[in-house]
Amino acid sequence: AQSVTQLGSHVSVSEGALVLLRCNYSSSVPPYLFWYVQYPNQGLQLLLKYTTGATLVKGINGFEAEFKKSETSFHLTKPSAHMSDAAEYFCAVSDFNTGNQFYFGTGTSLTVIP
Amino acid sequence: DAGVTQSPTHLIKTRGQQVTLRCSPKSGHDTVSWYQQALGQGPQFIFQYYEEEERQRGNFPDRFSGHQFPNYSSELNVNALLLGDSALYLCASSLFPDSSYEQYFGPGTRLTVT
Repeated sequence: AQSVTQLGSHVSVSEGALVLLRCNYSSSVPPYLFWYVQYPNQGLQLLLKYTTGATLVKGINGFEAEFKKSETSFHLTKPSAHMSDAAEYFCAVSDFNTGNQFYFGTGTSLTVIP
Repeated sequence: DAGVTQSPTHLIKTRGQQVTLRCSPKSGHDTVSWYQQALGQGPQFIFQYYEEEERQRGNFPDRFSGHQFPNYSSELNVNALLLGDSALYLCASSLFPDSSYEQYFGPGTRLTVT
């Protein structure tokens, strides 16, 4: 079965500092991997996704993530945090075997300190 | 191009009552998935509709049912509401057969059961 583990339910960084949000997955077949962001009282917005091809994926708002098969990881990074990055971030996994069902992690709340 | 829309935005119901939530998919999409997001948790898959049929179901009781209309819009019905049904209900739309790696989420309906 698919599963996603997000290490650190809360992460705080200073404005301008590196953002690193961790995601590990389990999948018996090549996965599709996603990062979504959720602002308070809103739905999910896709930041980036990995399906096939290049393992370093660039998304919106300066975020990127690298698929590392050997480590079963898909960590999200941003070189310089901005106050507007404060939100809840969710990692998700799917594959053809899941039949289009997305499995989400429990989320990481990012706080940006001015 | 309208994205995924959901109605109502907020809803308050009493235990034992029934509720219907509505979703209109993104233009051009034909598949609708429903997710439940409890407070502080990641979204959990309820079920998916394609061609007006339930194609896949997550681990939710039969109290949760749905429908898809010829225009691809969808309803989620929950009977005999429990306090534990209080959550944000998210609708996601996609285009078959790409639903494994492309789902767009709506803003959600916040259901409170008292």
